[in-house]
Amino acid sequence: AQSVTQLDSHVSVSEGTPVLLRCNYSSSYSPSLFWYVQHPNKGLQLLLKYTSAATLVKGINGFEAEFKKSETSFHLTKPSAHMSDAAEYFCVVSRDNYGQNFVFGPGTRLSVLP
Amino acid sequence: DSGVTQTPKHLITATGQRVTLRCSPRSGDLSVYWYQQSLDQGLQFLIHYYNGEERAKGNILERFSAQQFPDLHSELNLSSLELGDSALYFCASSVGQPGETQYFGPGTRLLVL
Repeated sequence: AQSVTQLDSHVSVSEGTPVLLRCNYSSSYSPSLFWYVQHPNKGLQLLLKYTSAATLVKGINGFEAEFKKSETSFHLTKPSAHMSDAAEYFCVVSRDNYGQNFVFGPGTRLSVLP
Repeated sequence: DSGVTQTPKHLITATGQRVTLRCSPRSGDLSVYWYQQSLDQGLQFLIHYYNGEERAKGNILERFSAQQFPDLHSELNLSSLELGDSALYFCASSVGQPGETQYFGPGTRLLVL
């Protein structure tokens, strides 16, 4: 069965410093992996998606993630944090069989300090 | 704006009551998914419909049911409501192919008093 672990429930960075949000997954299939962001009182917005085309995936707002099969990881990074990046981030694994269902990680809350 | 709409935005009701949440998918999307987000359980998959047919069930209670209509909109029915059903309910849609991006609506916040 698929599962997702987000190693930090809360990450706090200063504005202008790098962001690293960690994600490890478990999947019995070749997974599709996603990062979604949820701003307060808002829905979920797709940041980026990995589907085996390239291991380094670039997303919106300067975020990127690297798929490492040997480490079963899909960590999210950004070189320089902005105040508007403060939000909840979810790592997601999708079954690529008939069900196509998402399994969400528990989320990492990112705080950006001025 | 994802193109997925959900109504109502907020719903306050009492224990034992029944409510219906509505979702309209993005134009062209055949799959609709329902999720529940609560503080203690996080984001949990409830059910998936594709072109009117149920495709997969997740952690959906027997008191809950859903359907997808010929125009592809979907409704999630919650009955015999309990305090613990208070949560944010999201609908998402996709074209319906494996591994695809799901586009999420803004959610319906349900409060059961």
